[in-house]
Amino acid sequence: DAKTTQPPSMDCAEGRAANLPCNHSTISGNEYVYWYRQIHSQGPQYIIHGLKNNETNEMASLIITEDRKSSTLILPHATLRDTAVYYCIVRVAEGGANSKLTFGKGITLSVRP
Amino acid sequence: DTGVSQDPRHKITKRGQNVTFRCDPISEHNRLYWYRQTLGQGPEFLTYFQNEAQLEKSRLLSDRFSAERPKGSFSTLEIQRTEQGDSAMYLCASSRNTQTTDTQYFGPGTRLTVL
Repeated sequence: DAKTTQPPSMDCAEGRAANLPCNHSTISGNEYVYWYRQIHSQGPQYIIHGLKNNETNEMASLIITEDRKSSTLILPHATLRDTAVYYCIVRVAEGGANSKLTFGKGITLSVRP
Repeated sequence: DTGVSQDPRHKITKRGQNVTFRCDPISEHNRLYWYRQTLGQGPEFLTYFQNEAQLEKSRLLSDRFSAERPKGSFSTLEIQRTEQGDSAMYLCASSRNTQTTDTQYFGPGTRLTVL
């Protein structure tokens, strides 16, 4: 079972920031938070991951709370092409044996013009 | 840097037939994963390889399913005696596993329809 909970859907206006929440209250100290997204009929696309510090790359920012029980993925300027299902996944430390990803149902982000 | 490729992209078959899918990982990625995704659900893990060794298999992988990665490069997933319940998207992912990183990158998937 997925160790994360996400609301089923949200929307935002094009050009505005999209803030996607994720709860992972049972996360262990050696588990990372990963975000993937899946545009209709395509394979999942890696976005970003983090352990406890906030992370930023060219696609998004990841904000992890101090207690690590929740996180927020931020798309700073959403475009129509960001419409997708976004998956928040908790996974054991990198390099470990149990490296499979356990997906939940994700959150469907709809970006409106 | 070419991504993960899968072939075919679509497969339609009749119940009872055997099908085989191929996955070519990103070059120098030592781990390769197979997942299955049905409509409205997230992908579910099936199995993974580190080089040519199959290290873990999900209980979803019934005895009609077999996966191989003979030379530690490409992999094949075969389904024997297909059933309608096998209709799904089959996804392959690869990663370069080190002590500091193991990010999985996915291919486009093979959509299987069993009639």
